[in-house]
Amino acid sequence: DAGVTQSPTHLIKTRGQHVTLRCSPISGHKSVSWYQQVLGQGPQFIFQYYEKEERGRGNFPDRFSARQFPNYSSELNVNALLLGDSALYLCASSLALQNTGELFFGEGSRLTVL
Amino acid sequence: AQSVTQLGSHVSVSEGALVLLRCNYSSSVPPYLFWYVQYPNQGLQLLLKYTSAATLVKGINGFEAEFKKSETSFHLTKPSAHMSDAAEYFCAVSDTGGFKTIFGAGTRLFVKA
Repeated sequence: DAGVTQSPTHLIKTRGQHVTLRCSPISGHKSVSWYQQVLGQGPQFIFQYYEKEERGRGNFPDRFSARQFPNYSSELNVNALLLGDSALYLCASSLALQNTGELFFGEGSRLTVL
Repeated sequence: AQSVTQLGSHVSVSEGALVLLRCNYSSSVPPYLFWYVQYPNQGLQLLLKYTSAATLVKGINGFEAEFKKSETSFHLTKPSAHMSDAAEYFCAVSDTGGFKTIFGAGTRLFVKA
């Protein structure tokens, strides 16, 4: 069975541009979460979606948005990119709404903002 | 608010030596606690989790962790390090509402031959 897949794996943008990152969860998983991992730090929670609804949001500006589609795949959008948005963006899927169990992570999308 | 603190950003051990990675948590309610491992250029993989069943939790690859409420600790151990254990390790706690998992800053483990 396929794990969590993310695309693109690497991308380079310039300040002020917009980026869309995509995630396909494990088959049967209805919850998708997004995390930002800056070099040398732990992942920081951005969003959780369950059954196509936003269930949780981290401390990120409104430039960050996401959505979940009927097939449970998800997109993370970041507008007006800043240098500080350079990071590894991780998508994780899970079976349930509440994170009392395992999160299954993709390999991430590494964003570089110049 | 829940949080985790990992003591030591880098730990270096010799192959065959004991591995001890420290994690302390802050939580006002019984927490769900996790250890994840991240190999270079990969996502995170669950090593083990504590969900209030047994205080000593066994995970994959020979790792285990002990939940100590009195010390608010959840340290990760392995009796004998292997070269393949070299990676970044993250302690994490599930927040009260259960909507997000909060990660520590990570500890990079180096294993010397």
